[in-house]
Formats: sequence, C-alpha cells, structure tokens
Amino acid sequence: DAGITQSPRHKVTETGTPVTLRCHQTENHRYMYWYRQDPGHGLRLIHYSYGVKDTDKGEVSDGYSVSRSKTEDFLLTLESATSSQTSVYFCAISPQGGETDTQYFGPGTRLTVL
Amino acid sequence: AQSVTQLGSHVSVSEGALVLLRCNYSSSVPPYLFWYVQYPNQGLQLLLKYTTGATLVKGINGFEAEFKKSETSFHLTKPSAHMSDAAEYFCAVNTQTGANNLFFGTGTRLTVIP
Repeated sequence: DAGITQSPRHKVTETGTPVTLRCHQTENHRYMYWYRQDPGHGLRLIHYSYGVKDTDKGEVSDGYSVSRSKTEDFLLTLESATSSQTSVYFCAISPQGGETDTQYFGPGTRLTVL
Repeated sequence: AQSVTQLGSHVSVSEGALVLLRCNYSSSVPPYLFWYVQYPNQGLQLLLKYTTGATLVKGINGFEAEFKKSETSFHLTKPSAHMSDAAEYFCAVNTQTGANNLFFGTGTRLTVIP
C-alpha cells in the first residue's frame, strides 16, 4: 500500500468553525489531490497540488483552500464549515501527474458539520 | 468535456456467477479509462486501467475490462464472483489535457449472494 495517512479520520464540528484536514505521504510523489465523496456523486476533485506551494482548483473548490509547504503534506481547510460540506474526504497522490498515472488513495476522513 | 455514466447503482450476483458492471464514457478526445474498487471504510484501489494498445485489459483479482470505442464503453467483468468481491466500484476517465484530473462515475455497489 502507498504510504498515505489522513488525519483526523473522523471529525464532528459545528457550522461556522474552521476545520483543517491533513494528508501525509511517505512516497515522495509530486502530485497530491483532495476529493470529496458524496452519495450519488462519486468522487469530485476539490483542489490539487503539483509541487510545493503549487496548487490549482478542481471541480468543487468553493469554500475550500489548500496549502502545501512540504512535499509530504497537503492541507485542506474549510474556513467556515457549512452543513453542505459534510462528506468523506479522500487524499490521493500520483508520481508525476500524467494522464495515465495511477492515483493512490488514503483511507479517508469522515467530516460531519452540525 | 469528459464524463462517465455507470448504469446501475446496485448490482447483486450469486457467488460463482458472472459479474458485469457497466461504464460508458463521453469524451471528445481519446480517453484514458480506469476502474477503482472501494471496500467498506477504505480508500479507493486501482483495479485496472486502459491507456493505449490492447483493448482488453486485465486487472487484479480476476477482473478485466474491454475498451470499445464504437460503443463508448469500458465494462468491467469477472467470470465467477467471490464473496470478497463485495464492494463499490468506480469507473473514471481522464483525457489528454496534460493533467491527471480524473472524472469519476457515481459508483456501483456490488453485492454477492452466497
């Protein structure tokens, strides 16, 4: 298994509070991704990173920000959580980000916003 | 724009029976196609992928898929279902955009009946 950990694994928070999710990899892969998984929607890309301090938006980026200060860590922040952000969040990594690269997924973080 | 449609959000088969999970894609350029599997409370794991070359692709755990351009399909099959195959399966597409941005289908939950 690819060395990807996510923390926390579960979190319950209240509307309006800030939340930060962490993804940590030990594979030294260049690309890192954040997805959310919701019933009936599959996985949707939130943001991705193609290097330290290099990030770009995905399909559903509104309400989320990211940061990558080290190769191994990619942080997802919800500045002011809303109930619509209740979801399961997955981090993924890939070696070079090419169109045929395999993405390797972490175990996920289940976030509940009350 | 590219997209994926998975027909049937739930599929049930008897142990030992053929597994057929359907995936149709929409893409204006030649696609790269992926099947991922998600076991309960875990992240996604690559089953197989089609990039170029042979249109019949073999993956892990006895699964295979055939790329049919004329039908815009990439259906996943396994000749004989095993109890351990019970999981959710996602089809995904990427295209030659210069980035590894996967677009996922909504998933098919496979139940195997003993």
